[in-house]
Amino acid sequence: GQQVMQIPQYQHVQEGEDFTTYCNSSTTLSNIQWYKQRPGGHPVFLIQLVKSGEVKKQKRLTFQFGEAKKNSSLHITATQTTDVGTYFCAGIGGGSNYKLTFGKGTLLTVNP
Amino acid sequence: NAGVTQTPKFRVLKTGQSMTLLCAQDMNHEYMYWYRQDPGMGLRLIHYSVGEGTTAKGEVPDGYNVSRLKKQNFLLGLESAAPSQTSVYFCAGGAGAGYTQYFGPGTRLTVL
Repeated sequence: GQQVMQIPQYQHVQEGEDFTTYCNSSTTLSNIQWYKQRPGGHPVFLIQLVKSGEVKKQKRLTFQFGEAKKNSSLHITATQTTDVGTYFCAGIGGGSNYKLTFGKGTLLTVNP
Repeated sequence: NAGVTQTPKFRVLKTGQSMTLLCAQDMNHEYMYWYRQDPGMGLRLIHYSVGEGTTAKGEVPDGYNVSRLKKQNFLLGLESAAPSQTSVYFCAGGAGAGYTQYFGPGTRLTVL
């Protein structure tokens, strides 16, 4: 079945440093979504990418979808303590598929 | 609007006991999902529903049953709880496959 791999599993940075998490799928995706989960909280939707090569920005966050629609990345510029949490990618395959497949997430901690 | 709510927030069971987790949504979501989240495992889909009266198995369905008699409610049942079912359970709703999923606050279940 479809698998979504996410790396790294953990990342610790100093406040102000950049952060990137990568997501790779074993199959071509029709779209990919990114979620953030604060410690003790629930996943919250950040963004969805649909088009090959798509790049979207939300303030300091930049999301990319690969040309082959099998990989994606989330880059945070100049991290802040409010960025702490686990970032999940989730993909849905082409064709009839009712389920998002989530990566295992990247836990970001930020040292002030 | 309350969004997606889950009852209860916390529960401790003894091995062999049964219980039902309730998920309710007032967002008119067609699709609803039950996930479990364990450390280092990300979010794993237990069961899902694509509409009232329908249910389907996800990635880890064994030991769980679900029902969706009303569109706004999705119930997750454990007939005979086992320590391996100790986890955080999240319910989510969405408009359809590939659409944003809105998560509830979660239920923390411990099976002794």
